[in-house]
Amino acid sequence: DTEVTQTPKHLVMGMTNKKSLKCEQHMGHRAMYWYKQKAKKPPELMFVYSYEKLSINESVPSRFSPECPNSSLLNLHLHALQPEDSALYLCASSQLSGDQPQHFGDGTRLSIL
Amino acid sequence: AQSVSQHNHHVILSEAASLELGCNYSYGGTVNLFWYVQYPGQHLQLLLKYFSGDPLVKGIKGFEAEFIKSKFSFNLRKPSVQWSDTAEYFCAVIPLGNNRLAFGKGNQVVVIP
Repeated sequence: DTEVTQTPKHLVMGMTNKKSLKCEQHMGHRAMYWYKQKAKKPPELMFVYSYEKLSINESVPSRFSPECPNSSLLNLHLHALQPEDSALYLCASSQLSGDQPQHFGDGTRLSIL
Repeated sequence: AQSVSQHNHHVILSEAASLELGCNYSYGGTVNLFWYVQYPGQHLQLLLKYFSGDPLVKGIKGFEAEFIKSKFSFNLRKPSVQWSDTAEYFCAVIPLGNNRLAFGKGNQVVVIP
């Protein structure tokens, strides 16, 4: 079992819907990440939060809006998504030191109709 | 930007065969290196990591990897695979002082009983 919990596990939504993905960790990690993973491909970094502040945005479209309410929680708000946004969305966390590995959640399988 | 190369994307082998997966990175500075495994339908799990010291590192499930600095390589090995090693294997690199983890494209490994 992973120590990073993501909900929901599956999400189907229309292009006009608004939904949110949630991620929680209680390992005391101060860096949290959102990745997008297409089938048989490596994870692609979307956002990085350090000490609850957005530190990296990899030119992600504004229809994806991250939020870090506190050091344990990370949200990804979704609005007006496109069919090509269908993917597995992974959350990860780590200590801020780069020599510590990232711990990944099970992901949310997102399908856009 | 650093890049990570993994060759032979699809690998099929029989149980008890030896496995070696190559990983090369292009970054001139100090890096931290990881191998992650993703079993079908499961989250990314850390197999092993290298930060410093002995360049031969041992991980979980009988895997080991060797860091060769002169070749910018971090190849993964297992002397005798099992059917349960069927999975996607990702090499990942993070430069020291950076929290942007770069993944290779992955190796899809299928072990035939």
